[in-house]
Amino acid sequence: DVKVTQSSRYLVKRTGEKVFLECVQDMDHENMFWYRQDPGLGLRLIYFSYDVKMKEKGDIPEGYSVSREKKERFSLILESASTNQTSMYLCASSLLGFSGNEQYFGPGTRLTVT
Amino acid sequence: DQQVKQNSPSLSVQEGRISILNCDYTNSMFDYFLWYKKYPAEGPTFLISISSIKDKNEDGRFTVFLNKSAKHLSLHIVPSQPGDSAVYFCAATPERHNNAGNMLTFGGGTRLMVKP
Repeated sequence: DVKVTQSSRYLVKRTGEKVFLECVQDMDHENMFWYRQDPGLGLRLIYFSYDVKMKEKGDIPEGYSVSREKKERFSLILESASTNQTSMYLCASSLLGFSGNEQYFGPGTRLTVT
Repeated sequence: DQQVKQNSPSLSVQEGRISILNCDYTNSMFDYFLWYKKYPAEGPTFLISISSIKDKNEDGRFTVFLNKSAKHLSLHIVPSQPGDSAVYFCAATPERHNNAGNMLTFGGGTRLMVKP
């Protein structure tokens, strides 16, 4: 059974804190993604990675960075959390090759920045 | 500006009837489309997809229709069941093979409620 796990389901942080969100997949997928989900806006891509140490900006990378040191793990970093980064964060993974390959999602981390 | 739009934030349907969820797109580069379903407290899961070389794809109770000239697609669920109650997202991408990464552009979602 395919699995994408995220380190926390709920997280509360203060403005200015550095925040790490971790994602691990056990499917040996090359691609990994970080999205945020906000009401009415759907899922918006923050960053993705198609290989270890490779990263590409998505639609809304400002205020975020990522790290992929191992194939199975993709971390999202908020260098200095702000209240407008309060959101649901979803990690996903997929096979390389076809642009329409199914993406498998983790359960999400609901981050609140106060 | 959103390139993929789902103009109905919510839809309520009686059990056994048809549910029709709509999606419009503006980017002419999009030629592969997917629908994902999301239950509360879970990540989205893939439901069905369609390539622009087709105008219809069917999988059990779920059928996706694509109208390229109108840049419109719809998801039909027949018959609707209470377990179908979820948020449905449509997504689009240019169809590429041997591709590094597969960036999907998602719509805002439609919450479907199927009443028993």
